Amino acid sequence: GEDVEQSLFLSVREGDSSVINCTYTDSSSTYLYWYKQEPGAGLQLLTYIFSNMDMKQDQRLTVLLNKKDKHLSLRIADTQTGDSAIYFCAEVFGNEKLTFGTGTRLTIIP
Amino acid sequence: DGGITQSPKYLFRKEGQNVTLSCEQNLNHDAMYWYRQDPGQGLRLIYYSQIVNDFQKGDIAEGYSVSREKKESFPLTVTSAQKNPTAFYLCASSIQQNQPQHFGDGTRLSIL
Repeated sequence: GEDVEQSLFLSVREGDSSVINCTYTDSSSTYLYWYKQEPGAGLQLLTYIFSNMDMKQDQRLTVLLNKKDKHLSLRIADTQTGDSAIYFCAEVFGNEKLTFGTGTRLTIIP
Repeated sequence: DGGITQSPKYLFRKEGQNVTLSCEQNLNHDAMYWYRQDPGQGLRLIYYSQIVNDFQKGDIAEGYSVSREKKESFPLTVTSAQKNPTAFYLCASSIQQNQPQHFGDGTRLSIL
């Protein structure tokens, strides 16, 4: 089957904005999630968006959803060293379990 | 505080041995999951359970076994049939399988 796709790596200068992209598989997906994984730890749920929304903002995080292109993005404003992590998107539709993307490793350049 | 606990944090296995990784949650979640993560890789689903006394194979179940005798507990056994067990193992739970998953802090398994 199709995979939920993400770029593997992203490097951003401290203080700039980071934009992490995700292409998901099913236009019927009901919820889309962003998780953060710090080194040696489990995944933390950062934010989510319902499929009937185009945008959601939560402090430094902005999620954009383009259903036509099945494209999801996470923008982190004023990126800090503590934002260094792997970011996973995930989709769910109907009663199915979550399908995770391949993960994007965000590196902050001082 | 409610949460999901994995133990031990680090585990070493000798060749030919079975080892069991513990996962306990007190979130009253019905669904539980085991994932494997290799260095620089994403998550791969090993087994999942939607409810007590029931579980299904994920994408890479060969060489692994699970049980779900209690709602709170979903232990994973890495058997000697798993030829490349060195990895980071993550357990997760959710209220139901289509709800967001909550993760433990992982167990890192290495071969001696």
